[in-house]
Amino acid sequence: GAGVSQSPSNKVTEKGKDVELRCDPISGHTALYWYRQSLGQGLEFLIYFQGNSAPDKSGLPSDRFSAERTGGSVSTLTIQRTQQEDSAVYLCASSSALAGGPDTQYFGPGTRLTVL
Amino acid sequence: KQEVTQIPAALSVPEGENLVLNCSFTDSAIYNLQWFRQDPGKGLTSLLLIQSSQREQTSGRLNASLDKSSGRSTLYIAASQPGDSATYLCAVRDSWGKLQFGAGTQVVVTP
Repeated sequence: GAGVSQSPSNKVTEKGKDVELRCDPISGHTALYWYRQSLGQGLEFLIYFQGNSAPDKSGLPSDRFSAERTGGSVSTLTIQRTQQEDSAVYLCASSSALAGGPDTQYFGPGTRLTVL
Repeated sequence: KQEVTQIPAALSVPEGENLVLNCSFTDSAIYNLQWFRQDPGKGLTSLLLIQSSQREQTSGRLNASLDKSSGRSTLYIAASQPGDSATYLCAVRDSWGKLQFGAGTQVVVTP
């Protein structure tokens, strides 16, 4: 079956512009995660959606970052007034998050964001 | 705050040797631990997931152990091949679902 897909694969933008990154999780997966991988910084958690619950936004680095998940499926990560330090690969993952069971997170290929 | 450390940061071995990758974490209250592989410019591929109640998991040439009380996991890759060259990441999951990643071990297997 189809895996997690992300678009665009690459995005180059100018400082100060807004960008939207999209994630299509595996069909039927109730949990969706956004991570950021910066050069020399490793992978860091950004935000987590589980079903209809309020998202866990504890990893968002500033109020310029927001995310939504419509209809429990597709998610959009929005970065407003981009800064050069926002340049990174943004990874999305989904899992079935079965209670008490294994919940392997499956990752998309990522969106490479470059802010000039 | 959970901290995940991977040692070594980089490893180069000749083909056929066994690989041993280490991961340590500071908070033993984990839900599970997952090992991933990342190829350059690609996303992450899940290799093994060990639940907190388990001691090890095996898949083909890969074996991962977990000692939750001491905060350690080890990934063994038997009879390494050039195709095993990649960055290997371990991640611990908390009860809320978030993964905390280590910085990774970059592996090069030379023919």
